[in-house]
Amino acid sequence: EVQVLESGGGLVQPGGSLRLSCAASGFPFSSYAMNWVRQAPGKGLQWVSAISGSGGATFLPDSVKGRFTISRDNSKNTLFLQMSSLRAEDTAVYYCAKGSEPAAFDIWGPGTMVTVSS
Amino acid sequence: QSVLTQSPSASGTPGQRITISCSGSSSNIGSNTVNWYQQLPGTAPKLLIYDNNQRPSGVPDRFSGSKSGTSASLAISWLRSEDEGDYYCAAWDDSLKGPVFGGGTKLTVL
Repeated sequence: EVQVLESGGGLVQPGGSLRLSCAASGFPFSSYAMNWVRQAPGKGLQWVSAISGSGGATFLPDSVKGRFTISRDNSKNTLFLQMSSLRAEDTAVYYCAKGSEPAAFDIWGPGTMVTVSS
Repeated sequence: QSVLTQSPSASGTPGQRITISCSGSSSNIGSNTVNWYQQLPGTAPKLLIYDNNQRPSGVPDRFSGSKSGTSASLAISWLRSEDEGDYYCAAWDDSLKGPVFGGGTKLTVL
């Protein structure tokens, strides 16, 4: 079965750091770009990062550039999101999503909640 | 403020046909394909339509998509109670160099 499963969410203080992981299975992981998409409570979807299949190229919007880093370990079929200098507005459910083509995410995990609060 | 614009709500009765619209610009919908996502209450989003009008395997043909210029639409025929949830459009944006989403449309089946 094709699936992805996020972990690593939790409560963190403003200015703190957190590392999310996403374990993938059921498909040739290194052949696909992977993404992180977040959803603040009661709000819509926001793309926060993407990485190519090889890991050689990464893409982040200005809202998180310099604070978030996306990476992957193709030997372990795992995607990561390192988040630092966290702010209250980063509070959201973070989804790992497999990319089939630009802006088309065909496999989503259940999400992991990140809460930034003192 | 979302880059793509959707009406915040839509409603219909069982068996009815409804459409949800998505408006963008030349840098996103005008030059790239549109995808639609369905998010049922308490669940993760699911890809519903890709490449403007293609359905992934397992998506019923009650769901259809179209695009014209800088706007796109999702149509749901034979509306069912289990279709109630949030629907999002998305497209690549050439100026922002990343995917952008609409703010979502909450569908209520009366």
